[in-house]
Parts: sequence; C-alpha cells; structure tokens
Amino acid sequence: SQQGEEDPQALSIQEGENATMNCSYKTSINNLQWYRQNSGRGLVHLILIRSNEREKHSGRLRVTLDTSKKSSSLLITASRAADTASYFCATENYGGSQGNLIFGKGTKLSVKP
Amino acid sequence: EADIYQTPRYLVIGTGKKITLECSQTMGHDKMYWYQQDPGMELHLIHYSYGVNSTEKGDLSSESTVSRIRTEHFPLTLESARPSHTSQYLCASSTLAGVEETQYFGPGTRLLVL
Repeated sequence: SQQGEEDPQALSIQEGENATMNCSYKTSINNLQWYRQNSGRGLVHLILIRSNEREKHSGRLRVTLDTSKKSSSLLITASRAADTASYFCATENYGGSQGNLIFGKGTKLSVKP
Repeated sequence: EADIYQTPRYLVIGTGKKITLECSQTMGHDKMYWYQQDPGMELHLIHYSYGVNSTEKGDLSSESTVSRIRTEHFPLTLESARPSHTSQYLCASSTLAGVEETQYFGPGTRLLVL
C-alpha cells in the first residue's frame, strides 16, 4: 500500500537554483526518510527526520516535517548537474513492522548545466 | 557505496525458466529486503528477513521465494519466470539496532522475461 506521495513527479531546473520536493503521507509515522536513486542504480539514503523533529539539515539538504499536515519537504540548495536523480520519501509507520519502509513514487529531478 | 552486492545485474531469460537472483552483504546486517520496482515507479516490498531462518512476505504479492541460510546471503528465486515478472529487483539490508534504521541498497538486477 502506498504511503508517500511525492510532488512534483518531475522537476527541471538550472544549475545553481534550489530544488524543492514535497512528500505527503497518510498514517502516523515513527520517522520519514529521503533517498536518492541514480538512473538504473539502487537507492542511497540521504537523511532521516524523526516524528518529533520539525527541521533537519545535512550539507546542501534541508528537510522539514509537518506531522499535522502529514507532509515533508526536501530542499536541495545550489543544485549541481550531479544532483540529477530520482528522490523518494519513505515512511516507517508507527506500529508497523520494525524497519519496514513504504516508499512513494518519487520525484525525478533534472539539473541542467 | 554500500557493501551490498547483487548478481546478475542484467538478465534476459525465456518464459518458464527457473532463476535465482543473488544478494550478499558484508556489513553483518540482520535484516534484509527484496523490492520490486518498475521504471519510474515506487518500490514495492516483496520479501524480508529478520535474520537466519527468518523469511516474511512483504506488501506486494509475489510468486517468488526467498531463503536465509546465512546472515550475509538472501537469494530470491522464481521457479517459472513469466513476462509479468519483468522488472528491476532491488535488495537492501539494515541493522536491527533500533527503530530508526536506514536501509542500504544494492545496485539492482534488471530482469527481462521474453
């Protein structure tokens, strides 16, 4: 069953611009994670935000979480061509099987040089 | 890069053949997962394991089976491949140390069944 829903489905920007991706989910969560997937490869974990946190930073990444709206956003600042990839949010649901994640459909980001 | 490996990376096979997709990790992780992902789509969990001799079905019904005889090895088998099995299969692992575990993914196996 799908939990996360990313928006937009695709995003095209110029190098140096900021990219913002959103994720909405349906049920209570323990945490929300963002992953990146380069074309034809596996996923790489980017950042995890707990349900009691509102904002988290990691390098050029900034993640926010609004549990009242059941939504999260991922901001990539000063984007680079190497940031071109698909980005997925994944939720670990409250009371669910420990460690099991439910992934959204992803946002496909294209950063043009 | 995570220390988790999948072979083969690409496989083209005829209908009715039996295939096994291999997954190995050298991180000593207890929990392992298999996901199915169609191009441009979300990941669907098809199998997972908490450790040796543990196997569980995931959210997406699958005709595949898995085994976990060794901690580091989690192979997935299709007894009789069909065109509907054409997809990318991703293996992942995580520790059982807490409730905030991140998953480490292999590079995936792209399967095409003719």
